[in-house]
Amino acid sequence: QSVLTQPPSVSAVPGQRVTISCSGSSSNIRSNYVSWYQQFPGTAPKVLIYDNNKRPSGIPDRFSGSKSGTSATLGISGLQPGDEADYYCGTWDTTLSAGWVFGGGTKLTVL
Amino acid sequence: QVHLVESGGGVVQPGGSLRLSCAVSGFTFKSYAMHWVRQAPGKGLEWMAVISYDGSSKYYADSVKGRFTISRDNSKNTLYLQMNSLRPEDTAVYYCARPPYSGNSEHYGMDVWGQGTTVTVSS
Repeated sequence: QSVLTQPPSVSAVPGQRVTISCSGSSSNIRSNYVSWYQQFPGTAPKVLIYDNNKRPSGIPDRFSGSKSGTSATLGISGLQPGDEADYYCGTWDTTLSAGWVFGGGTKLTVL
Repeated sequence: QVHLVESGGGVVQPGGSLRLSCAVSGFTFKSYAMHWVRQAPGKGLEWMAVISYDGSSKYYADSVKGRFTISRDNSKNTLYLQMNSLRPEDTAVYYCARPPYSGNSEHYGMDVWGQGTTVTVSS
C-alpha cells in the first residue's frame, strides 16, 4: 500500500492529452515538492518533472506538472507511442518516519 | 557527463549480508545528498535511504531500518549500502540516485539514476 495513490493504468490514443493523478496528504504533497519519473521496462527511471513543475533539460514541454493541495498531476500532451511506459510520482514525507515516498505507479498505454 | 555505477549485487542466502557500492563521476560528489531506491520484480519503485552530502544525516524506509546502513566515502566518490539480515522480499534491482540540487537536498528527489544492480535473496 503506497503512501501516494496513483491510478494503476491510463490509456489514450496518439495525439491526445492524458493526465495522471497522484494523491497524498498534508504530510507529504501539501508541504513538499513533487517529482515525476518515467520508466521503460528493464531500464532505470528518468526524471520528467521536479519541484512540482520544472522540467530538466531535454524533457519536451509536452510533459507538465502541477500541484494543488494534497494532489499532484502529470500532464502529457500530443501523446506519442513512445510515451508508453510506467510513471511514478514521488515526494518527501514528514511524518515520524520521515523519508521519500513513491506512488504505486501508473501504466500508460498508447492505443 | 554525470555517471552513477552500482555494483556488488548478487545471490545471497536469507539471513546473509551484502554491500552495494555506487561509484560516481562527472560532478562534485561531496556536495550532494544521495539516495538508494529499489524495485522488486514486477513491482513499483521503493525508496530505501538517503544520506546528506556530508554524511551527518541519514533517513531510512521502515522496511529496512535497523537492517540496512547507508554510508559514503567522499574521498572515493562512492556511496554504499550495507544490507544485513537479508530476506527474500529484499530481492530487487537497487538503484543509486542523485538529487537535482547540491547542499541540503535530501527532500528534493532524484534527477540522475544509475543503471541498477540486482540482488537476489534465495536459498
